[in-house]
Amino acid sequence: NAGVMQNPRHLVRRRGQEARLRCSPMKGHSHVYWYRQLPEEGLKFMVYLQKENIIDESGMPKERFSAEFPKEGPSILRIQQVVRGDSAAYFCASSPILGADYGYTFGSGTRLTVV
Amino acid sequence: TQLLEQSPQFLSIQEGENLTVYCNSSSVFSSLQWYRQEPGEGPVLLVTVVTGGEVKKLKRLTFQFGDARKDSSLHITAAQPGDTGLYLCAGVLKENSGGSNYKLTFGKGTLLTVNP
Repeated sequence: NAGVMQNPRHLVRRRGQEARLRCSPMKGHSHVYWYRQLPEEGLKFMVYLQKENIIDESGMPKERFSAEFPKEGPSILRIQQVVRGDSAAYFCASSPILGADYGYTFGSGTRLTVV
Repeated sequence: TQLLEQSPQFLSIQEGENLTVYCNSSSVFSSLQWYRQEPGEGPVLLVTVVTGGEVKKLKRLTFQFGDARKDSSLHITAAQPGDTGLYLCAGVLKENSGGSNYKLTFGKGTLLTVNP
């Protein structure tokens, strides 16, 4: 039973390019959460999705960032026109039921570097 | 403002020593979790505590949730080099325990190095 799979593990983009980060939740998990870990910062909640629905995107910057979790395929976090400040580790987590009270299974993350 | 303060920020000890790291807040949490994160990897869940005053043991690790559910501690006995990593505490704020109980608030972590 594979864990949460994220790819790519490392992504380098030039300023102004687009970054697409993928997350496949654990089998049977229908709730997906994205978190961002900036250098010297703790992980911060970005967005919560269920299949074909964005439930809460309150932690995601309003400009340039979007997320989706289609009926088929992985969840995608998309960052358009990347800037240096977007450089961070992006983690995806999934759970079989709604809520963090029993903890999350996180993926290994995608480390985005904007040059 | 950091809702969860972890201390110490860095800790370097010798193999075999005992240590305690702390997670403190002025806010109340409905549950609190500890994760360990190794370089280049995602956080791995160690334990969840939900009841004020709760103590959980996981081999050489002992976790305690404060009576008021505002703080927690992690004690490691006879530390080993394999315990090296970033220890993160995270919790669900009580005010979010209804509709937003999926939001975890993280501390910045304690970076532990256990030298052989």
